[in-house]
Amino acid sequence: DAEITQSPRHKITETGRQVTLACHQTWNHNNMFWYRQDLGHGLRLIHYSYGVHDTNKGEVSDGYSVSRSNTEDLPLTLESAASSQTSVYFCASSVRIGATDTQYFGPGTRLTVL
Amino acid sequence: KNQVEQSPQSLIILEGKNCTLQCNYTVSPFSNLRWYKQDTGRGPVSLTIMTFSENTKSNGRYTATLDADTKQSSLHITASQLSDSASYICVVSLQQAGTALIFGKGTTLSVSS
Repeated sequence: DAEITQSPRHKITETGRQVTLACHQTWNHNNMFWYRQDLGHGLRLIHYSYGVHDTNKGEVSDGYSVSRSNTEDLPLTLESAASSQTSVYFCASSVRIGATDTQYFGPGTRLTVL
Repeated sequence: KNQVEQSPQSLIILEGKNCTLQCNYTVSPFSNLRWYKQDTGRGPVSLTIMTFSENTKSNGRYTATLDADTKQSSLHITASQLSDSASYICVVSLQQAGTALIFGKGTTLSVSS
């Protein structure tokens, strides 16, 4: 079955280290997204991509980067991890059908920055 | 400012009972409204999507309503089950080029036996 996976599921790192979170989908969706979820906040968009080599900044993109070299993967990189980036990160993919698109979310990665 | 407010923040009900969750939004221009269910430790899963022309949509025991004039939506759960215990998130999409989703903070529902 087609699916969207994230790895690792849990990660502990130290302040200042570079961290990359993986996202892989097998639906062949053009659209992919990264969100973070924190207590007291709704999900917030970090970066998104509408296709290969396309990337766009979201609401909370500072300190994060993405690259899209193929349809299936959108890795998220924290260039120099900060404690404020401790969060749960969700990847999603979608395809537009008519006037709407449904986003399918991965299981999440819990990142702790010490 | 584009905002999505949900109430109540949390809710506890007995198994078999019905409940209604509320969502108010100030998003403009509006494209569509979605309800997601998020189980603990998992990603959100879509329940319903409604455009401004739709005022009700059902998915099994879940029924969402939308009043685009008052900018209010509700999610009604019928005959609740233990498996309904989760966070329910209201999400509003902006009508613009590209994807712009405004997420509510969610209502945490606990169903007890």
